[in-house]
Amino acid sequence: DTAVSQTPKYLVTQMGNDKSIKCEQNLGHDTMYWYKQDSKKFLKIMFSYNNKELIINETVPNRFSPKSPDKAHLNLHINSLELGDSAVYFCASSQSPGLADTQYFGPGTRLTVL
Amino acid sequence: GNSVTQMEGPVTLSEEAFLTINCTYTATGYPSLFWYVQYPGEGLQLLLKATKADDKGSNKGFEATYRKETTSFHLEKGSVQVSDSAVYFCALSDQPKVTFGTGTKLQVIP
Repeated sequence: DTAVSQTPKYLVTQMGNDKSIKCEQNLGHDTMYWYKQDSKKFLKIMFSYNNKELIINETVPNRFSPKSPDKAHLNLHINSLELGDSAVYFCASSQSPGLADTQYFGPGTRLTVL
Repeated sequence: GNSVTQMEGPVTLSEEAFLTINCTYTATGYPSLFWYVQYPGEGLQLLLKATKADDKGSNKGFEATYRKETTSFHLEKGSVQVSDSAVYFCALSDQPKVTFGTGTKLQVIP
């Protein structure tokens, strides 16, 4: 059983389109995250939800909107896609937002904007 | 704010060589420290962690010791294998946020 799953794995789209990436975890965790990894492997936190409440909202364009319908799901919607949005997006989860909690990552979604 | 600095890669080693990947951090308070590993085409996974000063994390032959006096958490392995080829990320957790280093790519050649 996959602990943290993301769909789709690859997403190729045109500039200006709107797209969504879905994430689900079956670990029973309370906290979920979205990260963006650029071509140099730099990993940047975007958002985090704990029990469906937004607790981290980093400086990202308003075109990015997370939604957490329940504790097991965290989706990422992106409006008006731009070339610079091309990256690998990782979802992750942890038991809580606690100091020592391990994060469990999904396999990533590679987004390519043409 | 918090930050993590890792040695730049790529690091290329022969099989059975000794590995050190340096990591230093800047943080207020008392963060937890982590090493995550990313194999090609996969997400990150925890390699080891330490939650307080002088703690040593270890897993799969890798070790790192939380050194508060030098603000460091260097990763070491006595004898690397080809299967250890991956990108290694040092990270610190200062609830609720985790700050990652830039990653160090390790390539082990037979």
